[in-house]
Amino acid sequence: DTGVSQDPRHKITKRGQNVTFRCDPISEHNRLYWYRQTLGQGPEFLTYFQNEAQLEKSRLLSDRFSAERPKGSFSTLEIQRTEQGDSAMYLCASSLGSGIYYGYTFGSGTRLTVV
Amino acid sequence: GEDVEQSLFLSVREGDSSVINCTYTDSSSTYLYWYKQEPGAGLQLLTYIFSNMDMKQDQRLTVLLNKKDKHLSLRIADTQTGDSAIYFCAERAGNQFYFGTGTSLTVIP
Repeated sequence: DTGVSQDPRHKITKRGQNVTFRCDPISEHNRLYWYRQTLGQGPEFLTYFQNEAQLEKSRLLSDRFSAERPKGSFSTLEIQRTEQGDSAMYLCASSLGSGIYYGYTFGSGTRLTVV
Repeated sequence: GEDVEQSLFLSVREGDSSVINCTYTDSSSTYLYWYKQEPGAGLQLLTYIFSNMDMKQDQRLTVLLNKKDKHLSLRIADTQTGDSAIYFCAERAGNQFYFGTGTSLTVIP
């Protein structure tokens, strides 16, 4: 297992288009998290899953955003009708349990540019 | 959400010590963390400290925690060019990490 994988690494899309990102966590990790990082800022929490259940969603996750983890393994994050303000790095992370001792293992992120 | 503050930039000469500072707001935070992010990469956990500790040392890294002032610092001894990166402190509240804005460390050869 090589860590948390995210695909694609970069995505450029026109405003109004839909985009979908994929995250493959470390296989034995039961928790999966999505964060968003804008330029010059730290990551901001979007949502997290324990197995296939989405347990928390941030206020940042508007109705245009939806995340799934159908079989408790990989996850997808879809943004509908993209806006320029959605341009950011979208980071996925995973942990075994709460991650309180070892933190999370982060992927390299998907950089979204909305033009 | 929680408010975690860091200075934005730090520049040091190779071989010197670096000290990166952070203030946080949630006094109930049980653990506090330092992450490193290199260009184009995800965040890498460097170290963490339990809130009932004042200090933790791990090789070249020393974490100091002043719980009364809600102040956390990361000292990197003998800073190397490979230490150039953005360093984030984070506090944990519930099931979430709250990250600071990051401190960009530049090491001058």
